[in-house]
Amino acid sequence: SQKIEQNSEALNIQEGKTATLTCNYTNYSPAYLQWYRQDPGRGPVFLLLIRENEKEKRKERLKVTFDTTLKQSLFHITASQPADSATYLCALDMDSSYKLIFGSGTRLLVRP
Amino acid sequence: NAGVTQTPKFRVLKTGQSMTLLCAQDMNHEYMYWYRQDPGMGLRLIHYSVGEGTTAKGEVPDGYNVSRLKKQNFLLGLESAAPSQTSVYFCASSPDSNTDTQYFGPGTRLTVL
Repeated sequence: SQKIEQNSEALNIQEGKTATLTCNYTNYSPAYLQWYRQDPGRGPVFLLLIRENEKEKRKERLKVTFDTTLKQSLFHITASQPADSATYLCALDMDSSYKLIFGSGTRLLVRP
Repeated sequence: NAGVTQTPKFRVLKTGQSMTLLCAQDMNHEYMYWYRQDPGMGLRLIHYSVGEGTTAKGEVPDGYNVSRLKKQNFLLGLESAAPSQTSVYFCASSPDSNTDTQYFGPGTRLTVL
C-alpha cells in the first residue's frame, strides 16, 4: 500500500529564510499531490495542489515541486515569517480516486 | 458561509457508551469524509460518502458507522466506545471532482475512559 514519509522532527528556522519541507512516497506515483497547513487545535487548510505532469507550482511565497522519479515533493516557503509556524501535511490521491492519504506532517517553527 | 461545522467540539465517554458526531456543510459539496488524527500517525480515513444516501468504508472503519441522509450532513456513530477510539475526529467535504481539495471542519476531541 502507499506510504507517505514526512520528517517528524520540527524544522526550526530564522525569519526571512526559506523553509523547505519534504514529502516522500513509496509505491505508485499519485495523479496529484496536495499540501495542507494545520494550526494547533484546528482542521487542515488547503494550500497547493500539483499534478503528476507538473514539475513546479507557485502561489505567492509558496512553491511546490514534484519529482516522480525520486518519488518526492518539496514544499518551499520563501521569506518565512513567524506567522508561517504551523504543521504542514502532504496528501496524495489514493489510487487516482477522490480519497486522500495524508502524511503525519512536519512542524515548522519560524523564529523572529 | 459557515463552511464545515462539527458538533460537539469536545466529549468524554466511558467505555461502552455510544455517541454520534455531526458534520454539516453549506457548500453543496457531493463528497464528505470522516478522519481520525492521532499523534504521529496523520489523518486516517474512517468512512466517506460520494453523495446523499451513499457511504463507504475507508482505511479504519471498524467500530464506527455513518449515515448521509441529507446532502449537507454526515453523521459518525460510535456504538460501543473503546479507549482506542480516543482521538481527534475531523470531517471534510469536497466538490465532485477527483482532484478537488478537501475543506475541513474544526474537529471533535473525543476521550474514552
